[in-house]
Amino acid sequence: DQQVKQNSPSLSVQEGRISILNCDYTNSMFDYFLWYKKYPAEGPTFLISISSIKDKNEDGRFTVFLNKSAKHLSLHIVPSQPGDSAVYFCAASAWGGSGTYKYIFGTGTRLKVLA
Amino acid sequence: EAQVTQNPRYLITVTGKKLTVTCSQNMNHEYMSWYRQDPGLGLRQIYYSMNVEVTDKGDVPEGYKVSRKEKRNFPLILESPSPNQTSLYFCASTQDSLNSPLHFGNGTRLTVT
Repeated sequence: DQQVKQNSPSLSVQEGRISILNCDYTNSMFDYFLWYKKYPAEGPTFLISISSIKDKNEDGRFTVFLNKSAKHLSLHIVPSQPGDSAVYFCAASAWGGSGTYKYIFGTGTRLKVLA
Repeated sequence: EAQVTQNPRYLITVTGKKLTVTCSQNMNHEYMSWYRQDPGLGLRQIYYSMNVEVTDKGDVPEGYKVSRKEKRNFPLILESPSPNQTSLYFCASTQDSLNSPLHFGNGTRLTVT
């Protein structure tokens, strides 16, 4: 049961245009959502996050939108640059049992920005 | 430099030969976790630890063991590796907060023949 879904395995965008990466989730108890970027032969690195009480968070060229009623979030990259070519993972966190918390990751979307 | 260090980066082994993948972080993080990445399945949590001597199963713990004797180290142990454990493994750590992003190591690519 995939609680966090990224339905597009890949996306190609022209340099300078907008990249939109999408993520859907099923668990309404998620408190926090994060995006990670992963280059080949490296670990994922944190990109941007959003609390469940907000609907938008912006950091430079990156903006994350959260639509709680649709259980959907998206990452917008404007303008896209060739260096943005990577795999992007959506993740969500929630409190588990016994005072623990856990992070659930999506399957990733490979973004290719064409020069 | 703040980092999570995994070793080795690449490992080829045979079925049944015990192995350990080490993970160390220098950020004094309380929370540490192991993930495996497989095509089409994303990152799946194997085990996690909220603090020293406190460990718990993630979503795919079968065939793995961990220990947390010190805050900085969180080794992943495969007592009897099998081919279905061929994967890319990541160790991660964070502060003890729901809102703190995970810091990942650079990964260990394991092949079990």
